[in-house]
Amino acid sequence: SQQGEEDPQALSIQEGENATMNCSYKTSINNLQWYRQNSGRGLVHLILIRSNEREKHSGRLRVTLDTSKKSSSLLITASRAADTASYFCATDEGSGGGADGLTFGKGTHLIIQP
Amino acid sequence: EAGVAQSPRYKIIEKRQSVAFWCNPISGHATLYWYQQILGQGPKLLIQFQNNGVVDDSQLPKDRFSAERLKGVDSTLKIQPAKLEDSAVYLCASSLEASSYNEQFFGPGTRLTVL
Repeated sequence: SQQGEEDPQALSIQEGENATMNCSYKTSINNLQWYRQNSGRGLVHLILIRSNEREKHSGRLRVTLDTSKKSSSLLITASRAADTASYFCATDEGSGGGADGLTFGKGTHLIIQP
Repeated sequence: EAGVAQSPRYKIIEKRQSVAFWCNPISGHATLYWYQQILGQGPKLLIQFQNNGVVDDSQLPKDRFSAERLKGVDSTLKIQPAKLEDSAVYLCASSLEASSYNEQFFGPGTRLTVL
């Protein structure tokens, strides 16, 4: 079953604009991660935010986490054509026993128009 | 550093046939995962290994899917017999160890088409 649900399903913006994607999940988590997937580089880890963190930055990426609302957002600033990809949030529900497989959402397909 | 290797990259089979996928994780990574990604969806965990032991296979359809990691390094995932709904990309990932805070590194995947 899919834990996270990204919103919107698809997003098209002009190069240089900011892109915001949201993710909602259902159960308690240890951490939430964002991944990017495109045909050229496959599935790549972008950023991890722990359940006790509220905001995290990495380059042009900003992630927020609101555990009370079970939601997260990913902001990409000053978008570039190379940012065109599908973006997935993934949660680790921490079921114990060393099981830390990720539960992914359906993804947001981002298109950056030149 | 070499990434996660998978083969074959593409496979086309007919339903009821058998198929096997191979994965070589990043050197030194103790934890290995297999995910199934159906078109238009996010990856879904099938099985997680820690060294050569299974940590989680709760979402593996065990009537037709099997996986092994005999020497704690390479892994194979097998489907026997395949069904139409098994058409998907099968992704292998590895991490240093089973931890909530370790990044998972994904291979390029094997795209399976079942006719």
